[in-house]
Amino acid sequence: EIVLTQSPGTLSLFPGERATLSCRASQSVSNNYLAWYQHKPGQAPRLLIYGASSRATGIPDRFSGSGSGTDFTLTISRLESEDFAVYYCQQYGSSPITFGQGTRLEIK
Amino acid sequence: QVQLVQSGAEVEKPGSSVKVSCKASGGTFSSYAISWVRQAPGQGLEWMGGIIPVFGTANYAQKFQGRVTITADASTSTAYMELSSLRSEDTAVYYCARSIRFLEWLLGFWGQGTLVTVSS
Repeated sequence: EIVLTQSPGTLSLFPGERATLSCRASQSVSNNYLAWYQHKPGQAPRLLIYGASSRATGIPDRFSGSGSGTDFTLTISRLESEDFAVYYCQQYGSSPITFGQGTRLEIK
Repeated sequence: QVQLVQSGAEVEKPGSSVKVSCKASGGTFSSYAISWVRQAPGQGLEWMGGIIPVFGTANYAQKFQGRVTITADASTSTAYMELSSLRSEDTAVYYCARSIRFLEWLLGFWGQGTLVTVSS
């Protein structure tokens, strides 16, 4: 199975700053089928990005995804208070579907 | 708009089984993959398996093979996840999620989650 490793484990930033989250795969992700999710306590996760760089419906354009093969990045251009959460990458190109361990984005 | 509504919280004893339902409304039920994902306390998201109702065959993560059964009833637009031989480590919130793209295992629409507590 494809193992996804996210870094950093925790990211502490001020509102208004830029956040860069990384996701590295143990082998190439088929068709760049790499997604990013935001998860807040007590809520269901929310799909942000799919296909490595396509924003899901209703996702603000401050969220962007990039990368291909084994290295992927989620960038939040200017952090707003509601963006502080845990972020997961997921590959859906090969079975089994796998998630990274998550990056916690916290307010500094 | 697609909505997924899951059954309520469960408390089960070790060794027993639990069955969680996920009823979909809006959109086309049979054509899109439905996955089951869980999150144990303090842990990350874990994909357990899923099913594309129109094909009928479920796909499971190796970790849960032999203990989990995922089914779908197109007549009621409901998916089910049954987990057997429960142990304390199975205490978690269980989510169902539906894809937004045909034949892709994206998780675009989510249920509200079902807390399953395994305790003697």
